[in-house]
Amino acid sequence: DAKTTQPPSMDCAEGRAANLPCNHSTISGNEYVYWYRQIHSQGPQYIIHGLKNNETNEMASLIITEDRKSSTLILPHATLRDTAVYYCIVRSISGGGADGLTFGKGTHLIIQP
Amino acid sequence: DTAVSQTPKYLVTQMGNDKSIKCEQNLGHDTMYWYKQDSKKFLKIMFSYNNKELIINETVPNRFSPKSPDKAHLNLHINSLELGDSAVYFCASSQLAGGETQYFGPGTRLLVL
Repeated sequence: DAKTTQPPSMDCAEGRAANLPCNHSTISGNEYVYWYRQIHSQGPQYIIHGLKNNETNEMASLIITEDRKSSTLILPHATLRDTAVYYCIVRSISGGGADGLTFGKGTHLIIQP
Repeated sequence: DTAVSQTPKYLVTQMGNDKSIKCEQNLGHDTMYWYKQDSKKFLKIMFSYNNKELIINETVPNRFSPKSPDKAHLNLHINSLELGDSAVYFCASSQLAGGETQYFGPGTRLLVL
């Protein structure tokens, strides 16, 4: 799986959009970009994933650049409950085997009241 | 209903003991995983298992062994516990092996004294 680079921490004001960047310059054509988050003392939680098109669900939006070398997770109206460590993971759909996820250090997002 | 559950939530034990952590998923998923999160908060895959294969992270000591009585359960047995085994252990599951979205349990906090 390709390596990802994320800022170690970010602050965002409550109610504003939180934009979390991720660089994955070595991503290959069959690799997806996944985002998970881990709220303090909880298990990781899936947020969203995408291949090349932008994606949106009830939690967030994912913007992937045209060259696919970077992406941005957007939480449109951040709340205090969004304070967590956010992990960007690049992973292929292998179609076989059962490899686990490779978590990096992630970005600690702190939502300020 | 909790999708992925783990018991116990907390486990405090002495060095040298043997202990088990249980995991159950009610999602009908085919693949289950165990992850370890150490004191520095790094999350690492330990095992992944479906009805066809067990994939073991080569860094995991053979004192750790997963056991699956059925598709909905993957228990983690640890023999001869050491101080360095103190960590949070997370169970997860996914519908298919490979890059599918994974759902995590709440974690088991193990402290070895």
